[in-house]
Amino acid sequence: AQSVTQLGSHVSVSEGALVLLRCNYSSSVPPYLFWYVQYPNQGLQLLLKYTSAATLVKGINGFEAEFKKSETSFHLTKPSAHMSDAAEYFCAVGSGGYNKLIFGAGTRLAVHP
Amino acid sequence: NAGVTQTPKFRVLKTGQSMTLLCAQDMNHEYMYWYRQDPGMGLRLIHYSVGEGTTAKGEVPDGYNVSRLKKQNFLLGLESAAPSQTSVYFCASKYTAGGEDLGVPEQFFGPGTRLTVL
Repeated sequence: AQSVTQLGSHVSVSEGALVLLRCNYSSSVPPYLFWYVQYPNQGLQLLLKYTSAATLVKGINGFEAEFKKSETSFHLTKPSAHMSDAAEYFCAVGSGGYNKLIFGAGTRLAVHP
Repeated sequence: NAGVTQTPKFRVLKTGQSMTLLCAQDMNHEYMYWYRQDPGMGLRLIHYSVGEGTTAKGEVPDGYNVSRLKKQNFLLGLESAAPSQTSVYFCASKYTAGGEDLGVPEQFFGPGTRLTVL
């Protein structure tokens, strides 16, 4: 069975600091991995996705993630945090022929001045 | 394009009442999904549909029913609401990948319905 673990339910950074949100997955088949962002009182929006074409994936709003098979990780990073990045972030793995998504519990990112 | 829309946005029910949540998408997507989001648990799949007239159970289907009579609509029903069904419900849709060139399609999410069962 596939699963996703997001380390740290809350992460707080200063504006301009590096953002690192951790995601580890388990999968018996090559995974399809996604990062979604949820702003307050909104639905989920896709940040980026890994589909085996490249291990370093660039997404919207300056975010990127690196797929590391040996570590079964897909951590999300952004070099310099902005106040507008404050949101909840979800990592997900495609399951069942990637027709279904298994989500992690989410990480709430706070950005302070 | 409106994308994925959900009605209502908010609802308060009493235990034992019934209701239907409506999800509509105008992107001609084949696949549609219903999730519930609870604090600290991420999103969990309730039911999904791979096409008009078909439905399947997800991770947490008990207490819910669904119907997909039209391709663009996916209904989620609660026959007898319970306080444990207090949650935020999200609908999502995605198209069917037609080959390697199309990559892996992501799911598009609606804005959510906040349901409280007293």
